[in-house]
Amino acid sequence: GDSVTQMEGPVTLSEEACLTINCTYTATGYPSLFWYVQYPGEGLQLLLKATKADDKGSNKGFEATYRKETTSFHLEKGSVQVSDSAVYFCALSDLNQFYFGTGTSLTVIP
Amino acid sequence: KAGVTQTPRYLIKTRGQQVTLSCSPISGHRSVSWYQQTPGQGLQFLFEYFSETQRNKGNFPGRFSGRQFSNSRSEMNVSTLELGDSALYLCASREYNEQFFGPGTRLTVL
Repeated sequence: GDSVTQMEGPVTLSEEACLTINCTYTATGYPSLFWYVQYPGEGLQLLLKATKADDKGSNKGFEATYRKETTSFHLEKGSVQVSDSAVYFCALSDLNQFYFGTGTSLTVIP
Repeated sequence: KAGVTQTPRYLIKTRGQQVTLSCSPISGHRSVSWYQQTPGQGLQFLFEYFSETQRNKGNFPGRFSGRQFSNSRSEMNVSTLELGDSALYLCASREYNEQFFGPGTRLTVL
């Protein structure tokens, strides 16, 4: 069945450091891929998405490229801020169902 | 448009009781999904409703049930509460292949 495997956390970075959170997926069809972010005490917010191979999703300085050959959708940011501290979820949508990774907690220290 | 709303935001119950949580999707969205989020198990899919019919169901016991009304509002019910049911319950409404989450209901079972 479909699944998402996400880099284990927690991740702690200094402000302005580079971020990469790895995500790989298994799917039988042609899924859409997503990154969601969850701030403390809140629900999940869509951060970015990509609907087909080689698409690049981007938002708020975050980027992720849909790589079909490596079945990956890694999240990257060149310079993180304290306000980026949150839990990040990789997800895929195939037909009618969503599949989520386990989440990666990111803490950015000043 | 207003976002997904969930009520109540916080709930404390004791073992053996039952609880009903409510979710109002974004106007025009006909699909509502429910998820349970716990530190140990991450985000787990409970069920999805579309036009008042359950379309998908996760691997949860029958104590967990839901329904959807003609205005797309949804409720989920948990009967005979157990300590392990303490979690954040998230509702998401869906348009095409994109989900939008509510802030969640934090349920504590004592």
